Amino acid sequence: NAGVTQTPKFRVLKTGQSMTLLCAQDMNHEYMYWYRQDPGMGLRLIHYSVGEGTTAKGEVPDGYNVSRLKKQNFLLGLESAAPSQTSVYFCASIPSGTGSAGELFFGEGSRLTVL
Amino acid sequence: GEDVEQSLFLSVREGDSSVINCTYTDSSSTYLYWYKQEPGAGLQLLTYIFSNMDMKQDQRLTVLLNKKDKHLSLRIADTQTGDSAIYFCAERRDSSASKIIFGSGTRLSIRP
Repeated sequence: NAGVTQTPKFRVLKTGQSMTLLCAQDMNHEYMYWYRQDPGMGLRLIHYSVGEGTTAKGEVPDGYNVSRLKKQNFLLGLESAAPSQTSVYFCASIPSGTGSAGELFFGEGSRLTVL
Repeated sequence: GEDVEQSLFLSVREGDSSVINCTYTDSSSTYLYWYKQEPGAGLQLLTYIFSNMDMKQDQRLTVLLNKKDKHLSLRIADTQTGDSAIYFCAERRDSSASKIIFGSGTRLSIRP
């Protein structure tokens, strides 16, 4: 039972570099989310997806892109990393539909440092 | 988060009750959640309440929901040192295709 798996767990980037964070879930969940967590600011929603091939902006989408080409995967891309994107990134998923309380299943987090 | 508000800190004496408060914004939110995060760890769901309920009790945890005021609270009875953590409330906004928005978290510390 892998649940939600994020890769990589840690990464250090230089300003201007690009990278992609991968989130994979094996629970056949429809909805997936990317959050960032910064001290004193809780979790802020970056982008989310309500199904394969669909994505939507969250609270802080600027500087990030996402793709959901396969239902089980949700990718978060940084095209040109900036120090302000230093954070811990969490991926989460929930099943869709009525009758679901929508408990978020979280990955373990990916710590990204941009120098 | 987008106007899901919590106070940042709470300090209580061991054995006392802790009450953590949260205000949210979307009257159409269907579910409201409390998550716990211990140092260096991810988020763990503590409990949730459906929007047509006023109260939910689960062992030492009591959740109260006031929909009119958009106010949610979490009461932890007989607070223990193991309850030290950051507590996040979150709302599921089904009016926005199930956006789930978190508050900034309340850091609970326990005094001996």
